[in-house]
Amino acid sequence: DTGVSQDPRHKITKRGQNVTFRCDPISEHNRLYWYRQTLGQGPEFLTYFQNEAQLEKSRLLSDRFSAERPKGSFSTLEIQRTEQGDSAMYLCASSEGAGPIGEQYFGPGTRLTVT
Amino acid sequence: EDQVTQSPEALRLQEGESSSLNCSYTVSGLRGLFWYRQDPGKGPEFLFTLYSAGEEKEKERLKATLTKKESFLHITAPKPEDSATYLCAVQVSGFGSNYQLIWGAGTKLIIKP
Repeated sequence: DTGVSQDPRHKITKRGQNVTFRCDPISEHNRLYWYRQTLGQGPEFLTYFQNEAQLEKSRLLSDRFSAERPKGSFSTLEIQRTEQGDSAMYLCASSEGAGPIGEQYFGPGTRLTVT
Repeated sequence: EDQVTQSPEALRLQEGESSSLNCSYTVSGLRGLFWYRQDPGKGPEFLFTLYSAGEEKEKERLKATLTKKESFLHITAPKPEDSATYLCAVQVSGFGSNYQLIWGAGTKLIIKP
């Protein structure tokens, strides 16, 4: 088991471009979460998947953000028409279906810089 | 409004100098409180789960405790490798969400040799 992996680790893009990030969770985990984190703040919840179903999405999340988890394995997070305010660390986490929601295993994150 | 506040924002200690980090919460109903450690440039690493007042968990030099209004992360005789940002998060009942955690902003702990 190699843990949660994310790709790419860093992304620099120009304002207005679309970006897509990938997350590979721990193989036996059916729960998958996406977060955004800015400097000096805790993670901010974006969305949650249980297997392939997207069960929850932050009410504060712009419709420029979309996520998928086909076949309940890896997940992708796409940001369309990026803005400078989207610059942040994007974190993916996974957890076991039978365990507490709060016991999550995080990937190393993708750092997005929008210029 | 449900809220989690961590203090202090930053804490500098000498190696071996014990101290405590605080996580206070104002929530409608607590389902669980979770402590994480985050190293620079990495994702958070899970440490502890606490469910009810009076509960305690220990791991090496760390001990987490929970009351009805706050949690403490006690660090005993810390070493430089304990330097990190410590985050707490709560899962709330009646929040309108089964899967969201409310996170504090963290305490940055620096242990000087």
